[in-house]
Amino acid sequence: AAGVIQSPRHLIKEKRETATLKCYPIPRHDTVYWYQQGPGQDPQFLISFYEKMQSDKGSIPDRFSAQQFSDYHSELNMSSLELGDSALYFCASSSSSGGSRGTDTQYFGPGTRLTVL
Amino acid sequence: AQSVTQLGSHVSVSEGALVLLRCNYSSSVPPYLFWYVQYPNQGLQLLLKYTSAATLVKGINGFEAEFKKSETSFHLTKPSAHMSDAAEYFCAVTTNTGGFKTIFGAGTRLFVKA
Repeated sequence: AAGVIQSPRHLIKEKRETATLKCYPIPRHDTVYWYQQGPGQDPQFLISFYEKMQSDKGSIPDRFSAQQFSDYHSELNMSSLELGDSALYFCASSSSSGGSRGTDTQYFGPGTRLTVL
Repeated sequence: AQSVTQLGSHVSVSEGALVLLRCNYSSSVPPYLFWYVQYPNQGLQLLLKYTSAATLVKGINGFEAEFKKSETSFHLTKPSAHMSDAAEYFCAVTTNTGGFKTIFGAGTRLFVKA
Protein backbone atom coordinates (compact mmCIF):
# COMPACT_ATOMS: atom_id res chain seq x y z
CA ALA A 1 0.00 0.00 0.00
CA ALA A 2 1.13 3.53 -0.74
CA GLY A 3 2.59 5.43 2.18
CA VAL A 4 3.40 9.03 2.97
CA ILE A 5 6.41 10.20 0.99
CA GLN A 6 8.75 12.88 2.20
CA SER A 7 11.61 14.50 0.39
CA PRO A 8 14.40 14.99 0.80
CA ARG A 9 15.22 12.38 3.43
CA HIS A 10 18.28 14.28 4.55
CA LEU A 11 19.14 17.95 4.25
CA ILE A 12 22.13 19.91 5.43
CA LYS A 13 21.97 23.70 5.53
CA GLU A 14 23.98 26.57 6.93
CA LYS A 15 22.63 29.05 9.47
CA ARG A 16 20.43 31.74 7.96
CA GLU A 17 19.74 29.67 4.84
CA THR A 18 16.31 28.51 3.75
CA ALA A 19 14.96 25.00 3.36
CA THR A 20 11.88 23.48 1.76
CA LEU A 21 10.56 20.12 2.84
CA LYS A 22 7.99 18.27 0.76
CA CYS A 23 5.29 15.83 1.75
CA TYR A 24 3.14 13.66 -0.48
CA PRO A 25 0.20 12.21 1.46
CA ILE A 26 -1.39 8.84 0.94
CA PRO A 27 -3.73 9.02 -2.08
CA ARG A 28 -7.23 10.27 -1.18
CA HIS A 29 -6.08 11.59 2.18
CA ASP A 30 -7.30 15.14 2.62
CA THR A 31 -5.41 16.21 5.74
CA VAL A 32 -1.69 16.77 6.20
CA TYR A 33 0.13 17.40 9.47
CA TRP A 34 3.70 18.54 10.15
CA TYR A 35 5.64 17.59 13.28
CA GLN A 36 9.12 18.43 14.52
CA GLN A 37 11.10 15.94 16.59
CA GLY A 38 14.24 17.27 18.21
CA PRO A 39 17.03 14.91 19.30
CA GLY A 40 15.76 12.61 22.03
CA GLN A 41 12.40 14.36 22.15
CA ASP A 42 8.85 13.51 21.29
CA PRO A 43 7.28 14.88 18.11
CA GLN A 44 5.77 18.34 18.46
CA PHE A 45 2.89 19.44 16.27
CA LEU A 46 3.65 22.35 13.95
CA ILE A 47 0.74 22.88 11.57
CA SER A 48 -1.94 21.04 9.63
CA PHE A 49 -3.99 21.49 6.49
CA TYR A 50 -7.39 20.17 5.52
CA GLU A 51 -8.54 20.38 1.93
CA LYS A 52 -5.74 22.82 1.09
CA MET A 53 -6.66 25.24 3.85
CA GLN A 54 -4.69 25.72 7.04
CA SER A 55 -6.54 23.81 9.70
CA ASP A 56 -4.66 24.05 12.96
CA LYS A 57 -1.46 25.63 14.15
CA GLY A 58 0.89 24.46 16.85
CA SER A 59 4.31 25.59 17.93
CA ILE A 60 5.46 26.69 14.49
CA PRO A 61 7.97 29.56 14.45
CA ASP A 62 7.12 32.65 12.44
CA ARG A 63 10.15 31.88 10.26
CA PHE A 64 8.35 28.78 9.02
CA SER A 65 5.43 28.67 6.64
CA ALA A 66 3.59 25.88 4.93
CA GLN A 67 0.91 25.26 2.37
CA GLN A 68 -1.03 22.46 0.77
CA PHE A 69 -1.36 22.42 -2.98
CA SER A 70 -4.17 21.37 -5.31
CA ASP A 71 -2.71 17.86 -5.60
CA TYR A 72 -2.75 17.69 -1.76
CA HIS A 73 1.00 17.61 -1.40
CA SER A 74 2.38 19.99 1.18
CA GLU A 75 5.56 21.98 1.57
CA LEU A 76 7.13 23.32 4.73
CA ASN A 77 9.27 26.38 4.09
CA MET A 78 11.86 27.31 6.68
CA SER A 79 13.79 30.57 6.50
CA SER A 80 16.63 32.11 8.52
CA LEU A 81 17.57 28.66 9.75
CA GLU A 82 18.99 28.38 13.24
CA LEU A 83 21.05 25.62 14.84
CA GLY A 84 18.04 24.73 16.98
CA ASP A 85 16.04 23.89 13.87
CA SER A 86 18.09 20.73 13.46
CA ALA A 87 15.55 17.97 13.89
CA LEU A 88 13.56 15.24 12.23
CA TYR A 89 10.52 16.67 10.48
CA PHE A 90 7.60 14.34 10.02
CA CYS A 91 4.65 14.68 7.78
CA ALA A 92 1.50 12.68 8.44
CA SER A 93 -1.70 12.34 6.51
CA SER A 94 -5.19 11.21 7.33
CA SER A 95 -8.59 10.89 5.76
CA SER A 96 -11.61 12.56 7.32
CA SER A 97 -13.85 9.73 6.25
CA GLY A 98 -16.93 11.05 7.98
CA GLY A 99 -16.24 9.72 11.44
CA SER A 100 -15.32 11.65 14.56
CA ARG A 101 -12.29 13.73 13.81
CA GLY A 102 -10.49 12.49 16.88
CA THR A 103 -10.43 8.98 15.50
CA ASP A 104 -8.64 9.89 12.29
CA THR A 105 -5.54 7.72 12.16
CA GLN A 106 -2.49 9.67 11.14
CA TYR A 107 -0.05 7.83 8.94
CA PHE A 108 3.46 9.14 9.25
CA GLY A 109 6.13 9.48 6.62
CA PRO A 110 9.75 8.46 7.21
CA GLY A 111 10.75 12.03 8.02
CA THR A 112 13.29 14.52 6.74
CA ARG A 113 16.36 14.91 8.87
CA LEU A 114 17.45 18.54 8.76
CA THR A 115 20.89 19.45 10.01
CA VAL A 116 21.77 23.11 10.37
CA LEU A 117 25.49 23.84 10.60
CA ALA B 1 -6.50 19.66 28.25
CA GLN B 2 -5.46 16.24 27.09
CA SER B 3 -2.00 14.89 27.82
CA VAL B 4 -0.17 11.60 28.19
CA THR B 5 2.58 10.56 30.58
CA GLN B 6 4.84 7.63 29.89
CA LEU B 7 6.42 6.12 32.97
CA GLY B 8 9.99 5.10 32.38
CA SER B 9 12.13 6.53 29.62
CA HIS B 10 13.93 3.19 29.28
CA VAL B 11 12.69 -0.36 29.76
CA SER B 12 14.88 -3.42 29.42
CA VAL B 13 13.53 -6.96 29.11
CA SER B 14 14.96 -10.33 28.17
CA GLU B 15 13.95 -11.99 24.95
CA GLY B 16 10.79 -14.00 25.58
CA ALA B 17 9.80 -11.98 28.64
CA LEU B 18 6.67 -9.88 29.07
CA VAL B 19 6.79 -6.34 27.73
CA LEU B 20 4.91 -3.68 29.70
CA LEU B 21 5.12 -0.04 28.70
CA ARG B 22 3.11 2.32 30.83
CA CYS B 23 1.01 5.24 29.70
CA ASN B 24 -1.37 7.38 31.71
CA TYR B 25 -3.57 9.99 30.17
CA SER B 26 -5.25 13.13 31.33
CA SER B 27 -8.40 14.10 29.56
CA SER B 28 -11.58 15.98 30.36
CA VAL B 29 -13.41 14.21 27.55
CA PRO B 30 -13.36 10.61 26.31
CA PRO B 31 -9.90 10.29 24.82
CA TYR B 32 -8.70 8.74 21.62
CA LEU B 33 -5.42 7.04 22.43
CA PHE B 34 -2.68 5.65 20.24
CA TRP B 35 0.58 3.78 20.51
CA TYR B 36 3.26 4.38 17.90
CA VAL B 37 6.62 2.65 17.44
CA GLN B 38 9.69 4.30 16.01
CA TYR B 39 12.68 2.29 14.86
CA PRO B 40 16.04 4.07 14.59
CA ASN B 41 16.10 6.67 11.85
CA GLN B 42 12.59 5.81 10.76
CA GLY B 43 9.16 7.32 10.94
CA LEU B 44 6.35 6.58 13.36
CA GLN B 45 4.34 3.44 12.78
CA LEU B 46 0.91 3.00 14.31
CA LEU B 47 0.73 -0.03 16.60
CA LEU B 48 -2.85 0.32 17.77
CA LYS B 49 -5.51 2.83 18.71
CA TYR B 50 -8.40 3.14 21.14
CA THR B 51 -11.47 5.00 19.95
CA SER B 52 -14.08 4.17 22.62
CA ALA B 53 -15.03 0.77 21.26
CA ALA B 54 -13.54 -2.34 22.92
CA THR B 55 -11.35 -1.53 25.89
CA LEU B 56 -8.82 -4.23 24.96
CA VAL B 57 -7.21 -3.24 21.71
CA LYS B 58 -5.07 -5.58 19.68
CA GLY B 59 -2.44 -4.18 17.41
CA ILE B 60 0.28 -5.31 15.10
CA ASN B 61 3.32 -7.43 15.98
CA GLY B 62 1.50 -9.10 18.89
CA PHE B 63 1.05 -5.93 20.93
CA GLU B 64 -2.12 -5.02 22.75
CA ALA B 65 -3.26 -2.31 25.12
CA GLU B 66 -6.09 -2.05 27.60
CA PHE B 67 -7.98 1.16 28.24
CA LYS B 68 -8.77 1.48 31.94
CA LYS B 69 -10.86 4.53 32.68
CA SER B 70 -10.69 4.02 36.45
CA GLU B 71 -6.90 4.15 36.31
CA THR B 72 -6.68 6.60 33.39
CA SER B 73 -4.22 4.19 31.85
CA PHE B 74 -3.51 2.72 28.43
CA HIS B 75 -0.55 0.42 29.04
CA LEU B 76 1.02 -1.45 26.13
CA THR B 77 1.85 -5.12 26.55
CA LYS B 78 3.28 -8.04 24.62
CA PRO B 79 3.48 -11.52 26.13
CA SER B 80 6.87 -12.42 24.71
CA ALA B 81 9.52 -9.90 23.64
CA HIS B 82 11.47 -10.39 20.45
CA MET B 83 14.77 -8.80 19.58
CA SER B 84 13.07 -6.96 16.74
CA ASP B 85 10.82 -5.15 19.25
CA ALA B 86 13.73 -2.97 20.35
CA ALA B 87 12.61 0.55 19.47
CA GLU B 88 11.14 3.76 20.86
CA TYR B 89 7.47 3.63 21.75
CA PHE B 90 5.22 6.68 21.97
CA CYS B 91 1.84 6.90 23.59
CA ALA B 92 -0.32 9.63 22.08
CA VAL B 93 -3.70 11.29 22.44
CA THR B 94 -5.58 13.44 19.99
CA THR B 95 -6.99 16.70 21.19
CA ASN B 96 -9.17 19.38 19.75
CA THR B 97 -8.05 21.99 22.27
CA GLY B 98 -6.27 24.82 20.52
CA GLY B 99 -6.71 22.99 17.26
CA PHE B 100 -6.86 19.34 16.31
CA LYS B 101 -3.52 17.64 16.78
CA THR B 102 -1.79 14.65 18.29
CA ILE B 103 0.07 15.06 21.56
CA PHE B 104 2.83 12.56 22.19
CA GLY B 105 4.28 11.28 25.40
CA ALA B 106 8.01 11.57 25.97
CA GLY B 107 8.58 8.07 24.66
CA THR B 108 9.94 4.86 26.16
CA ARG B 109 12.93 3.15 24.67
CA LEU B 110 12.63 -0.62 24.83
CA PHE B 111 15.80 -2.70 25.02
CA VAL B 112 15.59 -6.46 24.47
CA LYS B 113 18.41 -8.61 25.80
CA ALA B 114 19.33 -11.95 24.29
